[in-house]
Amino acid sequence: QSVLTQPPSVSGTPGQRVTISCSGSTSNIGINYVYWYQQVPGTAPKLLIYRNNQWPSGVPDRFSGSKSGTSASLAISGLRAEDEADYYCAAWDDSLSGNWVFGGGTKLTVL
Amino acid sequence: QVHLVQSGTEVKKPGASVKVSCKASGYSFTSFGISWVRQAPGQGLEWMGWISPYYGKTNYSQNFQGRVSMTTDTSTSTAYMELGSLRSDDTAVYYCTRHSDFWSASRGYFDFWGQGTLVTVSS
Repeated sequence: QSVLTQPPSVSGTPGQRVTISCSGSTSNIGINYVYWYQQVPGTAPKLLIYRNNQWPSGVPDRFSGSKSGTSASLAISGLRAEDEADYYCAAWDDSLSGNWVFGGGTKLTVL
Repeated sequence: QVHLVQSGTEVKKPGASVKVSCKASGYSFTSFGISWVRQAPGQGLEWMGWISPYYGKTNYSQNFQGRVSMTTDTSTSTAYMELGSLRSDDTAVYYCTRHSDFWSASRGYFDFWGQGTLVTVSS
């Protein structure tokens, strides 16, 4: 069981907008930044969003992040076939001696 | 451009140790941290720990305390992760990542990833 909770799967059609939620607690998302990673099967994860809502160089602004309280969301607009991948949220958790924690991952299927 | 190139596939027996290397290029090695993250087959991501090549400080996940050791060689810009007392549930792909902060594991984030090293633990 992951510390951060994500839906196992979401789906959408090309051009549609989808959102992926990430639920945490006061020791992680509630007080720290949230990060999002995209992983195409068989490849390494890639940074998609940092510090809740910032884009690394090269990431299109079709991807956007937000955070409210102990939850965060990743929105993908203008869905494209190449967006089909697994998406993970991550945050630092201040409980015990501190730890990076991840969500269990959400499989996005483009229908 | 930033590159993290990891060592190749390993097959180990239960109880053995494995050491994975990660050679960095394209940036100042001591200006960033290195974190290690693993992914069991069909599973999610799990953080193992962080090391600062700048001053050698480490921060290990409680889940791996006592079994993991992370080191760096600044002369070759290479990071190493050694995991001991291997069990079958340590079978996973192990990733090194560049950590955007060299001062603290709690600051920064994983901004670039190596290609991954598959470690299989089987008798």
